[in-house]
Amino acid sequence: RKEVEQDPGPFNVPEGATVAFNCTYSNSASQSFFWYRQDCRKEPKLLMSVYSSGNEDGRFTAQLNRASQYISLLIRDSKLSDSATYLCVVNSDAGNMLTFGGGTRLMVKP
Amino acid sequence: GAVVSQHPSRVICKSGTSVKIECRSLDFQATTMFWYRQFPKQSLMLMATSNEGSKATYEQGVEKDKFLINHASLTLSTLTVTSAHPEDSSFYICSGGWETQYFGPGTRLLVL
Repeated sequence: RKEVEQDPGPFNVPEGATVAFNCTYSNSASQSFFWYRQDCRKEPKLLMSVYSSGNEDGRFTAQLNRASQYISLLIRDSKLSDSATYLCVVNSDAGNMLTFGGGTRLMVKP
Repeated sequence: GAVVSQHPSRVICKSGTSVKIECRSLDFQATTMFWYRQFPKQSLMLMATSNEGSKATYEQGVEKDKFLINHASLTLSTLTVTSAHPEDSSFYICSGGWETQYFGPGTRLLVL
């Protein structure tokens, strides 16, 4: 079983749609959680950290369920520019080493 | 966020040659940096942890004699792909940071 699992997609949605991604992690001792965005042939860029209480940044909402060991990302009012691969990332140790999920590809169409 | 640079951004080399990739933290000091590799349509895979002033820690299956890592200062880590072969062609990315990891723009290596 992979440490961090995501549905690879692709998710094809029309502009304006709401889309949700889930991610599960296997290490119950994981401490920090993030969503990164990666555009084609580019490096990952931090989208948002995920906090236990859930957090929102504009059209993006992230939630963490420690009991079930899953993380979610909700994107409201999708834009064409949201098309990218979204990476669920977990920090499982006391250092800064990150474990990446395989990514979920989102394609927003006009 | 913090800034991490990489050089070169892309390189094409002949099989058997060595290629050095530099990763610099521009506005912070990093005692630890990470090197990743990403093949097409796959996720990032951690190759090694670069430790300033000491040996790098390699992930299982990554040959330390082939992928030489040097972290001689708090702002520079280098990855040298020795005797590169076509199967080493990939996207190499470094990261550094504290609570949050920031990624360099990546180096696209093509070995002919």
